[in-house]
Amino acid sequence: QKEVEQNSGPLSVPEGAIASLNCTYSDRGSQSFFWYRQYSGKSPELIMSIYSNGDKEDGRFTAQLNKASQYVSLLIRDSQPSDSATYLCAVNWEYQLIWGAGTKLIIKP
Amino acid sequence: DAGVIQSPRHEVTEMGQEVTLRCKPISGHNSLFWYRQTMMRGLELLIYFNNNVPIDDSGMPEDRFSAKMPNASFSTLKIQPSEPRDSAVYFCASTKTDSGNTIYFGEGSWLTVV
Repeated sequence: QKEVEQNSGPLSVPEGAIASLNCTYSDRGSQSFFWYRQYSGKSPELIMSIYSNGDKEDGRFTAQLNKASQYVSLLIRDSQPSDSATYLCAVNWEYQLIWGAGTKLIIKP
Repeated sequence: DAGVIQSPRHEVTEMGQEVTLRCKPISGHNSLFWYRQTMMRGLELLIYFNNNVPIDDSGMPEDRFSAKMPNASFSTLKIQPSEPRDSAVYFCASTKTDSGNTIYFGEGSWLTVV
């Protein structure tokens, strides 16, 4: 059974602080890792993808991947109220993505 | 470019009625997924098509659910007969194989069965 684990939250972070979202996965063969953001009542939208160990930065977002530890994280710097959403971690397995249950992030003004 | 287009956006139907959800994937994408999302179970993969062929339908809950993809630009998910427990958001998503598995979602069809 392929699994992707996330803390369901909610994770409450003050505006302007760094939000740290974590995800672990069970399949050592996975090669592609994704973070999607889902606002309430909306569809998931891609935030970041990462394929190699290390960090990948895109604006205020940084994805971190450690394949040895089977761990992927998303850092959001200078958190804004508009970042309040559920963040879904997804890991590839064969032709599909295995999804975590999502972490609800709340940014407090 | 147009994204994944789904219809209807919202549907309220009575138990026992047939429901048909429609999806137009992104042009050029050759893989299509139907997902169901609920608070209790999260995102569940129902069925996966590659080049219009159903590859994996193991997530389809039961025989009341069926899906077709008659061509590269259209897919349907049908529920007959519908039941209250089918109430959920149904997402269609597409990707181009060998593009790093990045999938793009439609806006979803919000189904309520009363």
